[in-house]
Amino acid sequence: DTAVSQTPKYLVTQMGNDKSIKCEQNLGHDTMYWYKQDSKKFLKIMFSYNNKELIINETVPNRFSPKSPDKAHLNLHINSLELGDSAVYFCASSQEYFRPGQGHTEAFFGQGTRLTVV
Amino acid sequence: GQQLNQSPQSMFIQEGEDVSMNCTSSSIFNTWLWYKQEPGEGPVLLIALYKAGELTSNGRLTAQFGITRKDSFLNISASIPSDVGIYFCAGQLSNFGNEKLTFGTGTRLTIIP
Repeated sequence: DTAVSQTPKYLVTQMGNDKSIKCEQNLGHDTMYWYKQDSKKFLKIMFSYNNKELIINETVPNRFSPKSPDKAHLNLHINSLELGDSAVYFCASSQEYFRPGQGHTEAFFGQGTRLTVV
Repeated sequence: GQQLNQSPQSMFIQEGEDVSMNCTSSSIFNTWLWYKQEPGEGPVLLIALYKAGELTSNGRLTAQFGITRKDSFLNISASIPSDVGIYFCAGQLSNFGNEKLTFGTGTRLTIIP
């Protein structure tokens, strides 16, 4: 009954390859995210989708392309992998809560995919 | 881009001690969240704060939303071995929702036997 699940957990691949990471959430949330955590553990948002629509696209190389077939799934495809892409990628989901004049986000994370490019 | 600075960067404490950490921002937020990440796992939400001055507890954890809206604090009382991990703060400024969370630099907690 995992809430946010991503596969694979580990991915080792050679430079220049194309790879995909899949994410699914069963929380009924409207919004899903991809975050990248570097070797210093810094978490940075890459993309956010709300009801299959891209709403946040940080400065990420074009080689990264997210795809959301439905609001419960958000996949990340990476073309022409580079050494610097090695990191842990986290999928997350959230449901917005609204109070007068304010929106609030509580994001729930998957276990992460450790990508190693060699 | 905007950064949240957490301090201390790391802590080495003995079991049973209390822990305090904080998070400061250069701009205001209207939501503060605290997460814990254990090795090989994703961050897990511990406490959510929505109002300046708010003090919220979750078991031995207590977090506060700073009055200036530019900082937040997390305290852990009577630490135990399972408290080990990296603690992240995250802030959001959103009027209509769907605004991104900005994460802090993390505080790594180690418990000395």
